[in-house]
Formats: sequence, structure tokens, C-alpha cells
Amino acid sequence: QVQLVESGGGVAQPGRSLRLSCAASGFTFSSYGMHWVRQAPGKGLEWVAVIWSDGTNKYYVDSVKGRFSISRDNSKNTLFLQMNSLRAEDSAIYFCARVDCTNGVCHIDYWGQGTLVTVSS
Amino acid sequence: QPVLTQSSSASASLGSSVKLTCTLSSGHSTYIVAWHQQQPGKAPRFLMKLKDSGTYNKGSGVPDRFSGSSSGADRYLTISNLQSEDEADYYCETWDTKTHVVFGEGTKLTVL
Repeated sequence: QVQLVESGGGVAQPGRSLRLSCAASGFTFSSYGMHWVRQAPGKGLEWVAVIWSDGTNKYYVDSVKGRFSISRDNSKNTLFLQMNSLRAEDSAIYFCARVDCTNGVCHIDYWGQGTLVTVSS
Repeated sequence: QPVLTQSSSASASLGSSVKLTCTLSSGHSTYIVAWHQQQPGKAPRFLMKLKDSGTYNKGSGVPDRFSGSSSGADRYLTISNLQSEDEADYYCETWDTKTHVVFGEGTKLTVL
């Protein structure tokens, strides 16, 4: 069965960095695009970034452009999110999610359990 | 880019049915929408993909009590025979080539 397991969350001071990982199993990882989605405490879901299956195309929400970088290692079935210059407003649970696309139209079809990032001095 | 509008809350009695609505913004009424359920303290779970035609494809293990339908720009999620475990937040999601993933603000469903 499809499994997505995030790790790497924790507490970081403003301006510092964290690197999140998402280990995928149960499907051919290299065939799917992958998202990072976050959820601040008590708030709704916010898309953060997407990377296509071969890693060539990457897109970000405006609020993280230039600070966050999404990447993947298809040989290790792992997705990453490098988060630099962290701000208090980046505090959230970060979920990785699989993208299912048909005829160019995509949606999320599997979610990980999430990892908590807290940015605080 | 598309905007998804959802009511902030809904409630229904145990064993009854409830219909949640997700409305696509003007000019995007043909977009496919996905519904996701987030039970308290848990990760979201994909429920179904719903087309403008009303046809839908459910995720693995989603009970038959969950169904979808469409009318114009509205995408509906209907839950029949409500159970206590259906008390959750429900989010709709769509895709756009410019903004990529767009989520609605979510509907908090209370089972009375």
C-alpha cells in the first residue's frame, strides 16, 4: 500500500534552516509528482510546493519563493523540502502528498502523516 | 486563477445525510475538484475526484456512504447514514496550471 512518511520537523529559530524528508513506498515513486502542503495551527490547508516526477519542474507558493527548495531522489524514493530563512509564519504541520494526473488535470490522492515545524526564538 | 468557496460549518444528526458544497469561481465551472477529509488530529485523506459531469472516482477504502455530484460551478459531497467518525473538516481542492493547487477554506462538520 502507498505510504508517505515525513521526518525532519522540529523547533528552529527565526532565520535558521530545516530540511524535511518524505520517504515513499508502495508505488513507483519516480512516476509521480509530489507536493508539500502545510497547515498552521487551527488553520486550513496551504499548498507550498510541487515537483514533477523527473524533478525538472518545480513550483512554489509566493510566500516561500527564494527561501524554500523542493527536491527529490528517485533512487531513494525520497522527497525533500529545504527551508531556509525561516519565519514565525512558517510554523505549521508539513505534509507530503502524491499527485495523480490524468490528461493534464491533477489532484492529491495520498497524504503523509505530517511533521511539525515550529519557528520560535 | 480559481477560487473555491466552502461554508465554514455544517451539522447533521447521527444516521442522517448531509450535503457539503464547494463552489468554483466564475470562469472555472468545468474544473475537476477533489474532496479530502481531515479527522481531528489526523492527516487529510483523499475521498474522491469529482468532475463537472457529476461522475466521481473514490479513493481506496472510502465507504459507499460517501458520494459526489455536480451542478454548474457547484461540487457536492454527500455523506449518508452519518457516523460519529464522519465528524471532521472537509476540504475541496482543484488544480490550475498557474497556481497549481488551490484549496477551499474547509467545512467543519459536526455530527449531532
